[in-house]
Amino acid sequence: GAVVSQHPSRVICKSGTSVKIECRSLDFQATTMFWYRQFPKKSLMLMATSNEGSKATYEQGVEKDKFLINHASLTLSTLTVTSAHPEDSSFYICSATPRDREYEQYFGPGTRLTVT
Amino acid sequence: GESVGLHLPTLSVQEGDNSIINCAYSNSASDYFIWYKQESGKGPQFIIDIRSNMDKRQGQRVTVLLNKTVKHLSLQIAATQPGDSAVYFCAENMDTGRRALTFGSGTRLQVQP
Repeated sequence: GAVVSQHPSRVICKSGTSVKIECRSLDFQATTMFWYRQFPKKSLMLMATSNEGSKATYEQGVEKDKFLINHASLTLSTLTVTSAHPEDSSFYICSATPRDREYEQYFGPGTRLTVT
Repeated sequence: GESVGLHLPTLSVQEGDNSIINCAYSNSASDYFIWYKQESGKGPQFIIDIRSNMDKRQGQRVTVLLNKTVKHLSLQIAATQPGDSAVYFCAENMDTGRRALTFGSGTRLQVQP
């Protein structure tokens, strides 16, 4: 149990376009979903916290208009990178917290975004 | 072998040896800690967790030790196997309201056959 999926696993897009990444909890309902960004050989950095039906809470320095987060249901959150630039190229990872186990956090497999 | 996790150091051990990966966490108010394993190109995988009211917790081949006095966390892996090769991150829950995690910088474990 506690499986989180992400789609797509890899995406290449051109500068100026927008890309949507989906995060789904497959076998549980997620109270909260988190979005992280990871640069090569670096640690995970929290971008935002997303609760179903409410606005996401963004970390300091993360542009909310750049990284749009929608948490439409208890099993789906989406991250849209708008007007992507090469510096947005990164590994984006989501995680989800089960409704009945709020201390635990399960991660998706990540999405590799390359902006050309 | 042992390591201190700063700037993604590397710990190399021989297959069958025990490994100790260390982590210094930042907030004395953190109440929950997790160790994750991350293989190249994949998301972090939960290994073991511990709450702040404990100082030791054991799993299968893994043990986590928590020393709140010096804000130190360690992960011990017994009889290390080649499949244990990965980057290991400690994470702390500093924000008890949101349950958001703050990750350490990570340690790369290389297991030599």
